[in-house]
Amino acid sequence: QVQLQESGPGLVKPSQTLSLTCTVSGDSITSGIFYWTWIRQPAGKGLEWVGRVFNTGNTDYNPSLKSRVTISLDTSKNQFSLKVTSATAADTAVYYCARLRGYFYYVDVWGQGTTVTVSS
Amino acid sequence: QSALTQPASVSGSPGQSVTISCTGTSSNVGSYEHVSWYQQFPGKAPKLLIYEVNQRPSGVSNRFSGSKSANTASLTISGLQAEDEADYYCSSYAGGSTLVFGGGTKLTVL
Repeated sequence: QVQLQESGPGLVKPSQTLSLTCTVSGDSITSGIFYWTWIRQPAGKGLEWVGRVFNTGNTDYNPSLKSRVTISLDTSKNQFSLKVTSATAADTAVYYCARLRGYFYYVDVWGQGTTVTVSS
Repeated sequence: QSALTQPASVSGSPGQSVTISCTGTSSNVGSYEHVSWYQQFPGKAPKLLIYEVNQRPSGVSNRFSGSKSANTASLTISGLQAEDEADYYCSSYAGGSTLVFGGGTKLTVL
């Protein structure tokens, strides 16, 4: 079955870049049906959509984060990545990578999530 | 992009039905059928319950149902069970290839 696994540093210093990678198994990120997406959740709070990438490399982002976020693909490794620049404490959250069904915009497969803390 | 509005908490007794609302605007819920619902247990990733307003993925109990009227979508859980106690989130396509989530609702089974 399709599985997604997040990886990356659990601790990032303020003003630095938060970087995470999602490794996909059981599906190809070059599939034309799905988008690959990042969603985050601060402790005790709700879900926030960060952005998504299509197999063409086309991206769309949450307008509130757009200036600091980049999502990219590595098709050779079947991975996609997230970078958030100028990190602050407000970026501290559990980050989920997930598969987003194109056109219908529902998330059908989630990674287990990884906690990232922004602190000095 | 403001979050969709959900009640912070709802509760019900076993066997009863509860409904969770999700209020958006004409820019998201009111304009698209791309409304989904997710169930999340503490420390776990969310799970898809409903997509396209009222469609259930394979394996999801028919006790979960969805509907929409104007700018408000709703999730109804019938025959409430203790195992339904969790957080529930709605989401909607918001135009411009973006997605927006609700703030979440904590369901307590009394």
